[in-house]
Amino acid sequence: QQPVQSPQAVILREGEDAVINCSSSKALYSVHWYRQKHGEAPVFLMILLKGGEQKGHDKISASFNEKKQQSSLYLTASQLSYSGTYFCGAEASTGNQFYFGTGTSLTVIP
Amino acid sequence: DAGITQSPRHKVTETGTPVTLRCHQTENHRYMYWYRQDPGHGLRLIHYSYGVKDTDKGEVSDGYSVSRSKTEDFLLTLESATSSQTSVYFCAISPVLETGGHYGYTFGSGTRLTVV
Repeated sequence: QQPVQSPQAVILREGEDAVINCSSSKALYSVHWYRQKHGEAPVFLMILLKGGEQKGHDKISASFNEKKQQSSLYLTASQLSYSGTYFCGAEASTGNQFYFGTGTSLTVIP
Repeated sequence: DAGITQSPRHKVTETGTPVTLRCHQTENHRYMYWYRQDPGHGLRLIHYSYGVKDTDKGEVSDGYSVSRSKTEDFLLTLESATSSQTSVYFCAISPVLETGGHYGYTFGSGTRLTVV
């Protein structure tokens, strides 16, 4: 039931782009994205509701394809501050269930 | 400005002892959650609350109990701590959307618990 994220880890140079994918086996009502830096709590980035919308947050944006039960997080022109572990969170359409994804470690190097 | 605080931040306890972790919010949200985070498992839900005295189990609730006597406080108790409960524990709150789903979670700073 836990959403599967890919890739598990990625290393980027500053200025490069990255895409993180989140795939669920259940029909989804919403997808959340969070970033967690080492030793800190996860921080909410954005929520996408069913309807296929794409949202943006500075140079970080995301899309949600409810038919495929997938979401993607796009990081463009990466900065050192983008380093951390990214989690998706998926809320099922029925049953109020919410699960965090497996996580993607992203490291940005100079 | 956190709106949610946890205590203690760190704790070392012996196997078999009871342990209580505290979560306090100032946002007046109905929903509060306790998660544990372990390498390779990500964030897993232990228990959650949807109102005063209203709680329900999550996916890893065995060995844990919770209580919520006030909107602002949510307690997690390990009745008899075991080494498998060594973990980082996060409390979280979330507002409910008008459509019934949940908006983004705000997490507390976490409690690093070591059971020896």
